Amino acid sequence: GENVEQHPSTLSVQEGDSAVIKCTYSDSASNYFPWYKQELGKRPQLIIDIRSNVGEKKDQRIAVTLNKTAKHFSLHITETQPEDSAVYFCAASEAAAGNKLTFGGGTRVLVKP
Amino acid sequence: GAVVSQHPSRVICKSGTSVKIECRSLDFQATTMFWYRQFPKQSLMLMATSNEGSKATYEQGVEKDKFLINHASLTLSTLTVTSAHPEDSSFYICSARDLSEAKNIQYFGAGTRLSVL
Repeated sequence: GENVEQHPSTLSVQEGDSAVIKCTYSDSASNYFPWYKQELGKRPQLIIDIRSNVGEKKDQRIAVTLNKTAKHFSLHITETQPEDSAVYFCAASEAAAGNKLTFGGGTRVLVKP
Repeated sequence: GAVVSQHPSRVICKSGTSVKIECRSLDFQATTMFWYRQFPKQSLMLMATSNEGSKATYEQGVEKDKFLINHASLTLSTLTVTSAHPEDSSFYICSARDLSEAKNIQYFGAGTRLSVL
């Protein structure tokens, strides 16, 4: 089955700096890669996603890049703000596997004012 | 965006009792819902895939007789933790996929924190 590794597990940045989280996946058939943000005690919220036919996607301060050959994808947050502090999860999904998501271990991001 | 409602949000029960958790898609239909378990400061671990009108598909290591799943309609899936024990204490989260969307977006419920005494 799919295995998703996520790094780093914790990330502390100064407000205004950029944050980068990286994930690798094992199953070359995976074709959908969402990123979720989870605040303490709350539900995971989708913040951005990318499909395997696209190399990069951007939404305001958030961008995701995908390298299919290397089987890794990354989340980039620019101009970080205190409200960006949360746990971020990457995931991979493959249609033939019932579209189930395999999650990375999560990255706890702390943005210091 | 699509809304998934999960109830109850918090359950405290005695060891040996059964607990039912409901997951509802409020404004969309979902033939497939997913149940996850999340331990403190850890990731979401998929327990099972709930399929409307058919049996759930369980992940390896998850006891189907312990975690009963019923998906009787396109908007409701239930997870019953049978004969709960302290080791079942955890945060359980469901998600649902919108049938009408071409994308494979999963919308999550708010989770249920189960504490077994």
